[in-house]
Amino acid sequence: NAGVTQTPKFQVLKTGQSMTLQCAQDMNHEYMSWYRQDPGMGLRLIHYSVGAGITDQGEVPNGYNVSRSTTEDFPLRLLSAAPSQTSVYFCASRLQGTGGYTFGSGTRLTVV
Amino acid sequence: AQTVTQSQPEMSVQEAETVTLSCTYDTSESDYYLFWYKQPPSRQMILVIRQEAYKQQNATENRFSVNFQKAAKSFSLKISDSQLGDAAMYFCAYRSAGGGADGLTFGKGTHLIIQP
Repeated sequence: NAGVTQTPKFQVLKTGQSMTLQCAQDMNHEYMSWYRQDPGMGLRLIHYSVGAGITDQGEVPNGYNVSRSTTEDFPLRLLSAAPSQTSVYFCASRLQGTGGYTFGSGTRLTVV
Repeated sequence: AQTVTQSQPEMSVQEAETVTLSCTYDTSESDYYLFWYKQPPSRQMILVIRQEAYKQQNATENRFSVNFQKAAKSFSLKISDSQLGDAAMYFCAYRSAGGGADGLTFGKGTHLIIQP
């Protein structure tokens, strides 16, 4: 049982490049979400999903796309990276009910 | 939209003493969940404790307990017998219990320093 797995752990992109941050969970959790963490800002919700085929926007969705074709995977896509997207990105999942989210170990992304 | 406020950017406590971290939130909802997460230098987000808004009893987990005041929209975390391993960033978070929107709303965090 690996929990929530994020890949890669570190990434450097050039402005305008695209990439996908991968997130997979093996706990059969229905709910998944993506956050970004910037210094002094806490974590902010980018997108979330309440089940396969269902996604919605969070607080800071601009510049990011998501899809949820399976229960296990919830990738985050940056279509055209910008320096403002330099951040640490966390993926998280939870079961339906009262539990809190279980987090992955994060991806540190730098856009130059 | 809900907001979560942590008014203490940094707190310092002597090892073995007790410290309380403050959190207030704003919401128009009546049913929700509140959480405290710990983030050590490793960057991993670790769930410390959770509270269901419909429960009046304050949650406890070993040395960690909360003071949940629903009317005041306050949710403080008390750490008893502080240990060096408690040093970390602590984030207060909110999640709606109603159908529809999901995900967590976080405060900006409190950096807890443990003095040996």
